[in-house]
Amino acid sequence: QSVLTQPPSASGTPGQRVIISCSGSSSNIGSNTVNWYQQLPGTAPKLLIYNSYQRPSGVPDRFSGSRFDTSASLAIYGLQSEDEADYYCAAWDGSLNDWVFGGGTKVTVL
Amino acid sequence: QITLKESGPTVVKSAQTLTLTCTFSGFSLTTSGVGVAWIRQPPGKALEWLALIYWDDDKRYSPSLKTRLTITKGTSRNQVVLTMTNMGPVDTATYYCTHFVGGTNFDYWGQGTLVTVSS
Repeated sequence: QSVLTQPPSASGTPGQRVIISCSGSSSNIGSNTVNWYQQLPGTAPKLLIYNSYQRPSGVPDRFSGSRFDTSASLAIYGLQSEDEADYYCAAWDGSLNDWVFGGGTKVTVL
Repeated sequence: QITLKESGPTVVKSAQTLTLTCTFSGFSLTTSGVGVAWIRQPPGKALEWLALIYWDDDKRYSPSLKTRLTITKGTSRNQVVLTMTNMGPVDTATYYCTHFVGGTNFDYWGQGTLVTVSS
């Protein structure tokens, strides 16, 4: 059972928008920034969003992060086949003194 | 260009100690604010943070695994070593080392190394 809660799956057709939620608590998302990681099949995770909404250099602006209260979201606009991957949210938990991750969301492009 | 690579045994037996080495390039672990972390992922499961060492040798551990973990800087200036004692089948996972910066970001990852624990 992960500290951060994500839906196990999400899907959409090419060009659609997909939104992935990440629910936490006051000790993690409620008081710290959120990062999102993309893990393509058989590869290492890649930092996709940091500080809740910022994109590292090279990440397309189709990816957008937001955070409100104790939840965060990752939106993928203009879904593409290459976006098929697992997506994980992560945050520091000040009560647990632990970096906590979500259980991951598998995105499928129909 | 920052790169990291994990190395170590692919199979360990139950109750043994695992020692993994992260060899990195493109940054210095003496630069203020920089760290190297270990994160693992059991097959088909989520990511789990294990340990983090900072440029000033400050160390942080996952509370649930703290008694079994030790993270240190290696004898080479571009290496970090993780040891995990009393390995069991539940510790079978891909182990990643990552560059850590900005107080919050695991921004560069190694390719990972799969460690299988045999009973």
